[in-house]
Amino acid sequence: QSVLTQPPSVSAAPGQKVFISCSGSSSNIGNNYVSWYQQLPGTAPKLLIYDNNKRPSGIPDRFSGSKSGTSATLGITGLQTGDEADYYCGTWDSSLSVAPFGGGTKLTVL
Amino acid sequence: QVQLVQSGAEVKKPGASVKVSCKASGYTFTGYGISWVRQAPGQGLEWMGWISAYNGNTNYAQKFQGRVTMATETSTSTAYMELRSLRSDDTAVYYCARVGAVIPFKSDYWGQGTLVTVSS
Repeated sequence: QSVLTQPPSVSAAPGQKVFISCSGSSSNIGNNYVSWYQQLPGTAPKLLIYDNNKRPSGIPDRFSGSKSGTSATLGITGLQTGDEADYYCGTWDSSLSVAPFGGGTKLTVL
Repeated sequence: QVQLVQSGAEVKKPGASVKVSCKASGYTFTGYGISWVRQAPGQGLEWMGWISAYNGNTNYAQKFQGRVTMATETSTSTAYMELRSLRSDDTAVYYCARVGAVIPFKSDYWGQGTLVTVSS
């Protein structure tokens, strides 16, 4: 069981928006930056969001991140079928000195 | 451009060891660290640990303590991960990822993955 909790799955129609939550504690999300990763089937994960809400070069602004207290949220607007993937949150846990990932959320674009 | 190129797939017997390499290019190797993450078939990402190429510091997930060793070779910009006493549930794709030099906050570049199969 990960110290970061994500919903196993979310779904929405093309063009709609979806939010994926990541819940942790004061030793991880509460006091450290959160990153989000997209993993398309059969490929390596890709960094989508870092430092809670920053996008690497090349990541469209349809993807956004936010953090409040011990939870973080990934938002995706204008859903496309190509967004179907597994999404993971990650951070640093200052008490455990580990860098856990959430359990992952499978996004289905109906 | 930043690239991490991992060694090829491995098939090992239970009880054996495996050593996966991750060759970095396109950046100053000693300015960052390398995390190792694995993914069992159909499962999520599991952080195994990381090593700072800056100062050689390591942190291993408790689950792998005593069974894993991470190292870097700065002359060739290569990171290594050795896992010993392999079991069938170690069958997974193993990824290396570039992270910060002091705290592995974000994994901004990933290797292509190395499939390790443990089977008798």
